[in-house]
Amino acid sequence: KAGVTQTPRYLIKTRGQQVTLSCSPISGHRSVSWYQQTPGQGLQFLFEYFSETQRNKGNFPGRFSGRQFSNSRSEMNVSTLELGDSALYLCASSGQTNEKLFFGSGTQLSVL
Amino acid sequence: GNSVTQMEGPVTLSEEAFLTINCTYTATGYPSLFWYVQYPGEGLQLLLKATKADDKGSNKGFEATYRKETTSFHLEKGSVQVSDSAVYFCALARDSNYQLIWGAGTKLIIKP
Repeated sequence: KAGVTQTPRYLIKTRGQQVTLSCSPISGHRSVSWYQQTPGQGLQFLFEYFSETQRNKGNFPGRFSGRQFSNSRSEMNVSTLELGDSALYLCASSGQTNEKLFFGSGTQLSVL
Repeated sequence: GNSVTQMEGPVTLSEEAFLTINCTYTATGYPSLFWYVQYPGEGLQLLLKATKADDKGSNKGFEATYRKETTSFHLEKGSVQVSDSAVYFCALARDSNYQLIWGAGTKLIIKP
């Protein structure tokens, strides 16, 4: 069974641009959640989608948005990038419950 | 509110030493508790979990016991190896569909 796949692996953008990250969950998983990981703030929850509906949301500004498609693949978008958005963005998938998350290797975003 | 507090790292040990990483939590009700591990350059993986008081989770020589009286879930290993070097995250889930709440992570460095 293939694991969680995140693309791209690395991304460099400049302030003010927007970016879209992609996550393909494990086959059969309907929940996809997104996290931002930085050395200073640790692991912070962004949002979670289940069957194309946002089920949970963290405390991030509206510049951060996401969506989930009918095949459970998910995208995350960040508009008007700021230097502080530089981070490792992790995606995780799970089955019916969130009690075991399977993580991808992440997308390392650098904002210059 | 719900929260997880982990001991600050990095924790540096010699190979074959005994490991304890402290984790305490604040939560209403009876949450499930987890330890996840992140090896360099990878996403997180579930290491072990416990779903009720006095349960002991174990995997790969690691153990943690759910102690409701002390609201703790400390991670232990009797003899660490260099390959155990990683960042360890303690987390709780208030219920099966609620988003996990994460500790800040503890970096473990094992020297040969």
